[in-house]
Amino acid sequence: NAGVTQTPKFRVLKTGQSMTLLCAQDMNHEYMYWYRQDPGMGLRLIHYSVGEGTTAKGEVPDGYNVSRLKKQNFLLGLESAAPSQTSVYFCASSYDPQGQADTQYFGPGTRLTVL
Amino acid sequence: AQSVTQPDIHITVSEGASLELRCNYSYGATPYLFWYVQSPGQGLQLLLKYFSGDTLVQGIKGFEAEFKRSQSSFNLRKPSVHWSDAAEYFCAVGVRAGTASKLTFGTGTRLQVTL
Repeated sequence: NAGVTQTPKFRVLKTGQSMTLLCAQDMNHEYMYWYRQDPGMGLRLIHYSVGEGTTAKGEVPDGYNVSRLKKQNFLLGLESAAPSQTSVYFCASSYDPQGQADTQYFGPGTRLTVL
Repeated sequence: AQSVTQPDIHITVSEGASLELRCNYSYGATPYLFWYVQSPGQGLQLLLKYFSGDTLVQGIKGFEAEFKRSQSSFNLRKPSVHWSDAAEYFCAVGVRAGTASKLTFGTGTRLQVTL
């Protein structure tokens, strides 16, 4: 199993450009998450999904949109990139069939720079 | 709202010395607690987790953590550090959000190991 994969690994955008980050998991997990990591701030949740066709806002959702059209994929979109969105983006997935604490499995990250 | 505090931004220890990384949380109910490790340029890997039962939790790579409800702490320990343990360590508290489990991360502690 590849686990959680993210595409692309690096990207440089100009202010106002748009792009989509792709997250794929092959573990048949129900839940998927997008985080951003900034120096000195840890990871912050952007959006998450509890199943195919569902999405919900996290802690810092402004400026981002997401879609979960297929169970194995979770897309993060930036419609009009801003320098404040320069960050490392991590995708994670998890599965909790019985309401217990679930372990989130993380992808390798996408480093995005907005000029 | 829940929060996690990791008071040490950076710690340096000698190889073979013992290690303790501090984590304090704030959450009204019984917390689900996690420690993750991030090597440079990599995603996050779960070291251990606590959700109930024995308050001393064993994890991978020889790490352990102890949950102390009275002190709202979940400190990570290792009796003898190896050079390969140099990385950034994140403590997180997991809370239920409907059927999902959302993680709130601390700001991380960077561990440097001297030979």
